[in-house]
Amino acid sequence: DADVTQTPRNRITKTGKRIMLECSQTKGHDRMYWYRQDPGLGLQLIYYSFDVKDINKGEISDGYSVSRQAQAKFSLSLESAIPNQTALYFCATSATSGKVDEQFFGPGTRLTVL
Amino acid sequence: AQKITQTQPGMFVQEKEAVTLDCTYDTSDPSYGLFWYKQPSSGEMIFLIYQGSYDQQNATEGRYSLNFQKARKSANLVISASQLGDSAMYFCAMREGRGTSYDKVIFGPGTSLSVIP
Repeated sequence: DADVTQTPRNRITKTGKRIMLECSQTKGHDRMYWYRQDPGLGLQLIYYSFDVKDINKGEISDGYSVSRQAQAKFSLSLESAIPNQTALYFCATSATSGKVDEQFFGPGTRLTVL
Repeated sequence: AQKITQTQPGMFVQEKEAVTLDCTYDTSDPSYGLFWYKQPSSGEMIFLIYQGSYDQQNATEGRYSLNFQKARKSANLVISASQLGDSAMYFCAMREGRGTSYDKVIFGPGTSLSVIP
């Protein structure tokens, strides 16, 4: 089973709809992140969380909100989706302890807003 | 200000040749980590290699090596003996502030590598 899972994997929605993307991890990591990737571009950080009580805005948080329901779960919401939020969304995790700073990524969610 | 710079939007390399993908970074944090990810056309992010700011040796992982020049703040990825399956986007990333309130990872814009048979 994958260590970091995202649901749904693909979603098509209409402008103005509320959308929630979910992320779960079994790695026991304390850090979790949400990124978006626009076609042909790099990853931009939306929100990141150190634990259930600590949420931080990233580079492009406007139009998004998050919820860290448990250490293993981190959800991203688009309260009123708009077409320029069409992108590939990645959830990632990392650990505070240990040598390597590597992030572990989920498979991504392709979101299309019509 | 851009924290991670990858100046090569696209690169071509002949199969079996070596290729270097450039990455420069900017941080005032004495402790940081640098890594490279590969993203094939299928979209997943694949971790390739890691270099810690205090590591004395350049990191190597199979055909991948990281040319770490700390004073120049560069962390170039070298792929030896390129294969057709190496064709992908490559992202340089940096983690700074580990364990602090600003602990986060920032990615560069990526370099598209095409391996020519």
